[in-house]
Amino acid sequence: QVQLVQSGAEVKKPGASVKISCKASGYTFTSYYIHWVRQAPGQGLEWLGKINPAGGYANFAQKFQDRVTMTRDTSTSTVYMEVSSLRFDDTAVYYCVRSDNLDYWGQGALVTVSS
Amino acid sequence: QSALTQPASVSGSPGQSITISCTGTSSDIGSYNVVSWFQQHPGKAPKVMIYEVTNRPSGVSNRFSGSKSGNTASLTISGLQAEDEAVYYCCSYTGSSTWVFGGGTKVTVL
Repeated sequence: QVQLVQSGAEVKKPGASVKISCKASGYTFTSYYIHWVRQAPGQGLEWLGKINPAGGYANFAQKFQDRVTMTRDTSTSTVYMEVSSLRFDDTAVYYCVRSDNLDYWGQGALVTVSS
Repeated sequence: QSALTQPASVSGSPGQSITISCTGTSSDIGSYNVVSWFQQHPGKAPKVMIYEVTNRPSGVSNRFSGSKSGNTASLTISGLQAEDEAVYYCCSYTGSSTWVFGGGTKVTVL
């Protein structure tokens, strides 16, 4: 069965970076884009960007273009997202999601930015 | 890219039908048939209920249906049940390989 398993919760200080992993299984890794979506506490969903696991090319929402990078490792079927220059309002649950239909979601990774 | 506009809340009695609207622009919903709807219960990851405007994934009840007219997409839940109480989000492709979500609608079963 399709599964996306994300890395665990992180606590970071403002200005630091965080790198979240998303390991895919149960399907051909290079056949589907992986999207990243976040949800701040008590707030709605926000799309950050997506990566093509086949070629490694990524697209980002305009507000994240300068602070977010996405990479992948095809040998382990894992996608990574790194957010730099963290701010308090980056505190959120970050989800990886399979395909342009957003059909399978990871369990989420809580990133807390606190001084 | 601005978020799509959804009503903050919608309510209905068991057995009734409700419709949630999702308003975008001619650059997103109006231009592409790539609109999805998600259901999210508290503390859980979202679940796709509708994709590509009208398509229902296997396992999703046929009480859920989607449609689109112009710049507005809609999700209809018929035969409302207690388990349908959740927050619902719409999402649309906006071109240039980017997506945008709506602000979410809390559905209350009275």
